[in-house]
Amino acid sequence: GQNIDQPTEMTATEGAIVQINCTYQTSGFNGLFWYQQHAGEAPTFLSYNVLDGLEEKGRFSSFLSRSKGYSYLLLKELQMKDSASYLCAVSGGQNFVFGPGTRLSVLP
Amino acid sequence: EAQVTQNPRYLITVTGKKLTVTCSQNMNHEYMSWYRQDPGLGLRQIYYSMNVEVTDKGDVPEGYKVSRKEKRNFPLILESPSPNQTSLYFCASTTSGPSADTQYFGPGTRLTVL
Repeated sequence: GQNIDQPTEMTATEGAIVQINCTYQTSGFNGLFWYQQHAGEAPTFLSYNVLDGLEEKGRFSSFLSRSKGYSYLLLKELQMKDSASYLCAVSGGQNFVFGPGTRLSVLP
Repeated sequence: EAQVTQNPRYLITVTGKKLTVTCSQNMNHEYMSWYRQDPGLGLRQIYYSMNVEVTDKGDVPEGYKVSRKEKRNFPLILESPSPNQTSLYFCASTTSGPSADTQYFGPGTRLTVL
């Protein structure tokens, strides 16, 4: 079967660093995506990992370990506008599988 | 502007009344997909299409139909909607199937079936 797990909710303080974890078990693997989704809006692309290691993109970084079926999204210098849901998704075979999403609340 | 459009954005209907949600993309993408999003369950794939006239079931296809007669359009059809199909629906497209390219999402259609 296909399964992706993420924590349901996280809370952090403005200016801090937060790490959102994602574990997956899927029948195929072409890559792992992270999306940001504000309430009621469409998901928007944040990052993509296909090889093991860290990909850095400004305040956002994403890490992948294929052997462990594990990824994390690291958000630095948190801002209030980072309050959103963060979706982990794996592409494999002919389709995409999404995790349930992690709702992040950034407090002042 | 490169985009995925969906219509309508909001729809309230009654059980059994057939409806169609349209989806169109202007990026010449081959792969298109429909998802529903429910609280606590995340995005679940309903149907996808690898190219014109090629469609396949996703994880939750029951109660839905799709067609792909043209590359740019991928309508979602509910022949006889039921209250458990009340959800937020997203259409998405990408260049050529699950690969290094991200999916681009439409703005979403919030459907309520009474």
